[in-house]
Amino acid sequence: SQKIEQNSEALNIQEGKTATLTCNYTNYSPAYLQWYRQDPGRGPVFLLLIRENEKEKRKERLKVTFDTTLKQSLFHITASQPADSATYLCALDDNAGNMLTFGGGTRLMVKP
Amino acid sequence: NAGVTQTPKFRVLKTGQSMTLLCAQDMNHEYMYWYRQDPGMGLRLIHYSVGEGTTAKGEVPDGYNVSRLKKQNFLLGLESAAPSQTSVYFCASADWPGYPNEQFFGPGTRLTVL
Repeated sequence: SQKIEQNSEALNIQEGKTATLTCNYTNYSPAYLQWYRQDPGRGPVFLLLIRENEKEKRKERLKVTFDTTLKQSLFHITASQPADSATYLCALDDNAGNMLTFGGGTRLMVKP
Repeated sequence: NAGVTQTPKFRVLKTGQSMTLLCAQDMNHEYMYWYRQDPGMGLRLIHYSVGEGTTAKGEVPDGYNVSRLKKQNFLLGLESAAPSQTSVYFCASADWPGYPNEQFFGPGTRLTVL
């Protein structure tokens, strides 16, 4: 089964800086990788998806990279804002399109 | 559209009691999932369904049963609750064969087993 590692320690950054979160996985390389945002007391919300043949994907202030050689994805938030404070989860598919395996998430705190 | 809804939002059970969690989606999605989320453990898949009348085991299925009698509903049952089942339970749905199959989550059910 897939094992996914995200930094369990909270990431604290200053407003306006770029936040970079890491997602490392073992075993097989997935067909695609997803990132979700989760606020306290709420369910996760989908943010971005990147396919195995894509190196980089952008959406507004968000950028995701996917390195299948390193078995790693990086999630960047540029010009971070206090409203970006949340837990960010990465998820990998099972290559059959049936299910996702989620990482433990990294909590981001953006201070004004 | 309400998206994915879950009933109830909170519940406290005593060890050995049974209950059913209801998940409903109005997006006509084929796939539905039940997860549990514990501190430091992330989301773990309990059971999932790829269509009406089908169910399959996920990573942590023991102690749970599910049913998908109607496409829009996915029920999670605990026959004899144990304190280890204290958790937050999330239901999710996804379209198929649409791509990408991003998952849409409900608001969660917080379950405490005493």
